[in-house]
Amino acid sequence: DAGITQSPRHKVTETGTPVTLRCHQTENHRYMYWYRQDPGHGLRLIHYSYGVKDTDKGEVSDGYSVSRSKTEDFLLTLESATSSQTSVYFCAISSLAGGTDTQYFGPGTRLTVL
Amino acid sequence: GDSVTQMEGPVTLSEEAFLTINCTYTATGYPSLFWYVQYPGEGLQLLLKATKADDKGSNKGFEATYRKETTSFHLEKGSVQVSDSAVYFCALASSGAGSYQLTFGKGTKLSVIP
Repeated sequence: DAGITQSPRHKVTETGTPVTLRCHQTENHRYMYWYRQDPGHGLRLIHYSYGVKDTDKGEVSDGYSVSRSKTEDFLLTLESATSSQTSVYFCAISSLAGGTDTQYFGPGTRLTVL
Repeated sequence: GDSVTQMEGPVTLSEEAFLTINCTYTATGYPSLFWYVQYPGEGLQLLLKATKADDKGSNKGFEATYRKETTSFHLEKGSVQVSDSAVYFCALASSGAGSYQLTFGKGTKLSVIP
């Protein structure tokens, strides 16, 4: 299994509070991704990173920001959480080494915004 | 843009039954195609993949063939087990700005009963 951890694994917060989720990898992979999973929508890409300090928006980036100051950590921040951001958040990594485009996923963070 | 359509569930089968989960896609170019599996309470795991037309991916008794003429990547297993109960996601990888991005179907929940 790819070495990916996410913290916290569960979080309950209130509307309007800031929240930061952390993804940590031990694989030294260049690419990291944040997805959210909601019933009836599958997984949707929020933001991704293609290197330290290099990030870009995905399909559902509104209300989210990210940062990557070192290879192993990718942070997702909800500046002011809303109930519509209640979801399960997954981090993924890939290396593209040898041309492979496979992504490997972390265990997820269940976020509830009251 | 790219999209993936997979059959809606839930699907309930008896043990040892034959499984087919349909998946079709819309994409430009020649994407790689994936099936991921998510067991209850866990993250997504790569089940199999195919990178070019007529490739067959296989793993744990599951198979899927990349059919470019019908833009399909149907998942099949000859004899399902209770332990196969999970949610299955079809996905494609397309190249973006400096990275590959996955586009997911909405998922198909499979329940196998003894």
